[in-house]
Amino acid sequence: GAGVSQSPSNKVTEKGKDVELRCDPISGHTALYWYRQSLGQGLEFLIYFQGNSAPDKSGLPSDRFSAERTGGSVSTLTIQRTQQEDSAVYLCASSLTPTARFRLAGTDTQYFGPGTRLTVL
Amino acid sequence: GQQLNQSPQSMFIQEGEDVSMNCTSSSIFNTWLWYKQDPGEGPVLLIALYKAGELTSNGRLTAQFGITRKDSFLNISASIPSDVGIYFCAKETSGSRLTFGEGTQLTVNP
Repeated sequence: GAGVSQSPSNKVTEKGKDVELRCDPISGHTALYWYRQSLGQGLEFLIYFQGNSAPDKSGLPSDRFSAERTGGSVSTLTIQRTQQEDSAVYLCASSLTPTARFRLAGTDTQYFGPGTRLTVL
Repeated sequence: GQQLNQSPQSMFIQEGEDVSMNCTSSSIFNTWLWYKQDPGEGPVLLIALYKAGELTSNGRLTAQFGITRKDSFLNISASIPSDVGIYFCAKETSGSRLTFGEGTQLTVNP
């Protein structure tokens, strides 16, 4: 079946502009995660959605970052007034069930999309 | 606190050689995960470890969860060119988030 998809694959924008990044999780997955990967670095957690629960936004670096998940499926990460330090690869992941709470046959495994490479000039 | 220290940062080996990389943390935790990331792709889970002392294999890959619950290693035996990529250790922290190490870049020369 289809994996996690993200669009666009690449985005170049000018400093100060707003950008929207889209994530389509695997069908039926209840949990969705956004991470950011700066050049040569590991992944940094941004935000987590689980079903209809309030999202865990504790990883968002500033109030310029926000995310939505509509209908429990597609998610959009929005960065307002982009800065050069926002340049990174933004990765989305989904899992059938939340990690660390329902460890049954790997249902908590997070599957990652290919990412969106954001360049802020 | 939650930081993972992964080493080495990079490795250059010949095809057929064995590889070992490790991760350490200052705090104990309940899960170790090892991911591989190919260029232009997202990370893919290789091995998950849930118990201290656990030793798990996945083909030519072997990983162990340290008995102190503060470290883990990943071994790759008889490396092949497609093993090239970045290997990350990760652990579950608060809630369902993953915290990742900074990665080990592996290059395999044919």
